[in-house]
This record gives sequence, C-alpha cells and structure tokens, in this order.
Amino acid sequence: AQSVAQPEDQVNVAEGNPLTVKCTYSVSGNPYLFWYVQYPNRGLQFLLKYITGDNLVKGSYGFEAEFNKSQTSFHLKKPSALVSDSALYFCAVRDWGLTGGGNKLTFGTGTQLKVEL
Amino acid sequence: EAQVTQNPRYLITVTGKKLTVTCSQNMNHEYMSWYRQDPGLGLRQIYYSMNVEVTDKGDVPEGYKVSRKEKRNFPLILESPSPNQTSLYFCASSLGTSGRSETQYFGPGTRLLVL
Repeated sequence: AQSVAQPEDQVNVAEGNPLTVKCTYSVSGNPYLFWYVQYPNRGLQFLLKYITGDNLVKGSYGFEAEFNKSQTSFHLKKPSALVSDSALYFCAVRDWGLTGGGNKLTFGTGTQLKVEL
Repeated sequence: EAQVTQNPRYLITVTGKKLTVTCSQNMNHEYMSWYRQDPGLGLRQIYYSMNVEVTDKGDVPEGYKVSRKEKRNFPLILESPSPNQTSLYFCASSLGTSGRSETQYFGPGTRLLVL
C-alpha cells in the first residue's frame, strides 16, 4: 500500500520569508513523488517530481523539494515566499514497484499556504 | 496548447438523473484517470484507463462508469447520481505509466452538486 501524510492543514508565512510545506510518505518499494498546487477555482498544476537521482529537485515558480529516504519525507521549500504563492498544495506518491493500479497517485489531504504582507 | 479539458465545469442535478462529464486531452496521452476531491480527503482515484478499451477501477468506483473508445476522450458517467457524489471531479492524463512519462496533467475540474 502507498500513503501520504501532510501534517499541517495550513501554513502561514510572511512574504520574503522561506517556506516549507511538509510531506511524508509510505510505500512498499521505491517512490515516485510529486507536488501539485491548486489555485482557487483552478485545476491542479504540476510543480515538481522526484523519480530518481539527485535528492534535491527544482521545479516551477522557484519551488524545490528534498527527497529524504531515511526520513521518508519530501518537503516542499521556497527561499522567499510571495503573496501569489498562496494556494492549496498537494503531495502525491506512487510506488513504482506496485503492480496493478495503473499510474495511481495517492494524494495527501493538502496544505493551505497563506503568504501575508 | 496542450491541455486537458472537462465539461461542464459546474453542474447541479437531482438524484437519479443520469449525467456524463466529458474529458478530453490533446497530448496523445495513453493513460487517463478520474479523481474526486473532497475536503479533508485529498484526491481519490475513481477509474483509470491504460489505453483505448482498457479501463479499471480505482479506489472509489461505486456509482460511476467510464468508457475509452477513443484515445483522447474519457467520459465519466453517473447512471443514478446520489447526494454523496457531490464533489469536485478532476480528469488527468499522462503520456505513459513509467519513469519520466508518468507525470499526470489535470483538467480544470467539474464541480457537481446532487440534490
């Protein structure tokens, strides 16, 4: 089975400060990990993914995430937050050793990021 | 522009009245999937399709049907909608299902209210 936990329902950050949105995962094999962002009344937009290789992954809009296998984490980070980053963020995992289920992603429950002036 | 489109974007209906939500992608993707999003539950997979005429159940398939007669289209059918199917629905597609081809791209969502 595969699962994802986003322990924080909401994260508040001042503009210009660094931000972190936390994600931990559980898989039987090896993970593919993704971050998506959802702006109000919009669909999910792909931000970045970890498949293999370098543990630090850089994505869209200045976001990055670090894969930590020992802590089974994939936290999303940005050095300097913008008010326009305010949105709902989802972490998702796929166990690439899993047979069956197609390309099923298991999503976390989402973290609302609020960046204030 | 490469995209996944869904129609309608908003729908209010009554219990038992059959409805179809269409999904279309113009990226020649093999894999397509439907998810529903509910507060506090994240997104859960309803059905998926690996290719034309190949579909299978996800985690929450009860009350839904799908078909994949063409590569670009993957409609979601609710034969007899019930209030517990009130939700936000997303269609997604990916080029393939392994390695770097499996990033899923999502449509804008369909908000359904069943009275």
